[in-house]
Amino acid sequence: KAGVTQTPRYLIKTRGQQVTLSCSPISGHRSVSWYQQTPGQGLQFLFEYFSETQRNKGNFPGRFSGRQFSNSRSEMNVSTLELGDSALYLCASSLPGFYEQYFGPGTRLTVT
Amino acid sequence: AQSVAQPEDQVNVAEGNPLTVKCTYSVSGNPYLFWYVQYPNRGLQFLLKYITGDNLVKGSYGFEAEFNKSQTSFHLKKPSALVSDSALYFCAVRDMGSNYQLIWGAGTKLIIKP
Repeated sequence: KAGVTQTPRYLIKTRGQQVTLSCSPISGHRSVSWYQQTPGQGLQFLFEYFSETQRNKGNFPGRFSGRQFSNSRSEMNVSTLELGDSALYLCASSLPGFYEQYFGPGTRLTVT
Repeated sequence: AQSVAQPEDQVNVAEGNPLTVKCTYSVSGNPYLFWYVQYPNRGLQFLLKYITGDNLVKGSYGFEAEFNKSQTSFHLKKPSALVSDSALYFCAVRDMGSNYQLIWGAGTKLIIKP
């Protein structure tokens, strides 16, 4: 079974731009979560989707948004990028029923 | 308030010695407990979980963890550490009594010295 895939793996953007990151979960997994990881803040939860509905949301500004499609693939969008948005963005998928999550390799976003 | 604490930022252990990485939690309902490991420049990997049943759970790479309800702890252990165990370890708890939110600890850096 293929693992969680994230595209792109690396991204460089300029302040003020917007970015869209993509995540394809493991086949059969209907729950997708997004995290931001930085050296200073550790692992921060962004949002969790299940069957195209946002189930939980972390404490991030409205510039951060996400969605899930009917095939369980998910995207997250960050508008008006700030330098502080530079981070590793991780996507994780899991089976329905609150089981363990399986993580993708992440997208490394650098904002200049 | 719901929380997960990993009280040690870093744990240093000599190769061959037993290791323990600590995790305590505070949730309103029954907890689903997880441990993950992150090797440098990699995503997180699932190690083990406790949902119900035997308090001692075994996972990948020889790791195990013990659920202690009275102490609200879920410490990760391994009888004999390997240098290759050096990594960042995260404890996570899903609160089954509060919107099923998954709460993460801050992570503990484990360093195994030869």
